[in-house]
Amino acid sequence: DAMVIQNPRYQVTQFGKPVTLSCSQTLNHNVMYWYQQKSSQAPKLLFHYYDKDFNNEADTPDNFQSRRPNTSFCFLDIRSPGLGDAAMYLCATSRDGGYYEQYFGPGTRLTVT
Amino acid sequence: GENVEQHPSTLSVQEGDSAVIKCTYSDSASNYFPWYKQELGKRPQLIIDIRSNVGEKKDQRIAVTLNKTAKHFSLHITETQPEDSAVYFCAASRQGGKLIFGQGTELSVKP
Repeated sequence: DAMVIQNPRYQVTQFGKPVTLSCSQTLNHNVMYWYQQKSSQAPKLLFHYYDKDFNNEADTPDNFQSRRPNTSFCFLDIRSPGLGDAAMYLCATSRDGGYYEQYFGPGTRLTVT
Repeated sequence: GENVEQHPSTLSVQEGDSAVIKCTYSDSASNYFPWYKQELGKRPQLIIDIRSNVGEKKDQRIAVTLNKTAKHFSLHITETQPEDSAVYFCAASRQGGKLIFGQGTELSVKP
């Protein structure tokens, strides 16, 4: 049974055209994370929500925004995608952050043309 | 800032041999150390984790050891199989903190 679901799995967008990626979870975890992963690099944390509290990483570009309307859903908005934003975007959830396992979704592969 | 160093970056072994991947962390308050396996194009999946109140944990062919004094932890895979081929990431975090990932190790198991 899928626990962390991401849609779409593949997204193609044009340079500068806004795009939204979605994540939903059935685990009722209070922490949700968005990561960007390129090639075989480690996932790079963009931001996370602890319940409704938003935590942005210092080096996350302003081009990236996020919304969490309820416990189950979280969205990643890229306002003006550039070629350098092409990557795999991973959503993850955790029961309480830090000390507990993070469950990753299957990811959305973003292509920017 | 917090940092996790992982070595080696690539590792090639013969099927049946053992593989060892090592990580060192900088934040002495870290108390949770997971290991993720990521196959090409797929999500990272937790294969084993250890918390700072134990020094070793084993699950079938996989084991992790932790040395808190040296701030060092290692993944050991015995009797490797071709399906063990993947990228492995170590990570460290503190209570309520975020995961700090190592750079990854690409493991290749040759039949």
